[in-house]
Amino acid sequence: DTAVSQTPKYLVTQMGNDKSIKCEQNLGHDTMYWYKQDSKKFLKIMFSYNNKELIINETVPNRFSPKSPDKAHLNLHINSLELGDSAVYFCASSQEGRPTGELFFGEGSRLTVL
Amino acid sequence: DAKTTQPNSMESNEEEPVHLPCNHSTISGTDYIHWYRQLPSQGPEYVIHGLTSNVNNRMASLAIAEDRKSSTLILHRATLRDAAVYYCILRAVGDYKLSFGAGTTVTVRA
Repeated sequence: DTAVSQTPKYLVTQMGNDKSIKCEQNLGHDTMYWYKQDSKKFLKIMFSYNNKELIINETVPNRFSPKSPDKAHLNLHINSLELGDSAVYFCASSQEGRPTGELFFGEGSRLTVL
Repeated sequence: DAKTTQPNSMESNEEEPVHLPCNHSTISGTDYIHWYRQLPSQGPEYVIHGLTSNVNNRMASLAIAEDRKSSTLILHRATLRDAAVYYCILRAVGDYKLSFGAGTTVTVRA
């Protein structure tokens, strides 16, 4: 059983399209994240949800809209895709409330915008 | 965010120990020191974390300086599978954000 699973793993699309990436965790965690890793390999946090509430929004364009229907799911919808959106997107989850909660990451979703 | 400084890269031979340094001179009293690593084409994975005392787990050891301004991740016997980017990150209690820097790229020679 994969702890944090993302779909799709690969996504190739044209500029201007709208696409979604889904994430599910079966760890019973209460916090989920989206990270973006660009071609220079820097990992940047985009969003974080705790118990379905948005707690981190790191100056991400409005074209990016996360949605958390329940604690186990955090989806990422991207409108009007641009070339610069090409990257690997990682979902992660953690259980907060402990002194420090380790993050469990998915395998990533590679988005290529042509 | 409190910052960390790591060497860009390190090389090691298989089955030899690897010592990965991390400087964090502006660390605050509530910051935990976390280490994650990212294997090629995979998501980051947790390695170890500590506050003041040295820590050991099945993957690695973490040695923390007495003044907490630096730490060292120790891989006791490197294997080819340990080739990855290793990230040293400070994270305060209650801080949901885990901020990654450039990390150290570890190469293991057979």
